[in-house]
Amino acid sequence: DVKVTQSSRYLVKRTGEKVFLECVQDMDHENMFWYRQDPGLGLRLIYFSYDVKMKEKGDIPEGYSVSREKKERFSLILESASTNQTSMYLCASSLKTGGYQPQHFGDGTRLSIL
Amino acid sequence: KQEVTQIPAALSVPEGENLVLNCSFTDSAIYNLQWFRQDPGKGLTSLLLIQSSQREQTSGRLNASLDKSSGRSTLYIAASQPGDSATYLCAVQDSNYQLIWGAGTKLIIKP
Repeated sequence: DVKVTQSSRYLVKRTGEKVFLECVQDMDHENMFWYRQDPGLGLRLIYFSYDVKMKEKGDIPEGYSVSREKKERFSLILESASTNQTSMYLCASSLKTGGYQPQHFGDGTRLSIL
Repeated sequence: KQEVTQIPAALSVPEGENLVLNCSFTDSAIYNLQWFRQDPGKGLTSLLLIQSSQREQTSGRLNASLDKSSGRSTLYIAASQPGDSATYLCAVQDSNYQLIWGAGTKLIIKP
């Protein structure tokens, strides 16, 4: 079974802090994704990556950056956390597209910015 | 721009009833449509995937239909059980292989 592990289930940080959310997958997937999920809005794509050291902006990249130094790990960085970044963050991975490949999700990190 | 809508946002039904969850999308140029389940505080689990050329898919008590021309999909749950209580999300995959998500329907099955 594919396992996508997000390092923290719950995280509380202060405004202005630099925040790192980590995601690791164990199935050698090329694609990795970061979403945020807010009530009434569904999932929105922040960034994704098709390979090591590659990154692409999603629909809402402002205020975020990402790092993919190793294939199995995709980090989301909040450069200077703000209260409007309080949300549930979901990481997903999939095999490289060439046709549809299902995305496998981690359990999420619920981040609160005070 | 593709938009995906799920109505209602919440639904509560007695155990044993059959029920239908709805998903609509604005652009019929989709690659596929998927239904996911999310338990409280958890990630997402894929339930059913319907390719754009298909009309329906079935898995156990679940049946998903797709009508691309009208921009609609339904998820039918037969003989509902309390364990079916969760949030159900639909997502369409566009030609860029990105997923566009509905906001979900929170389903509560009352014992």
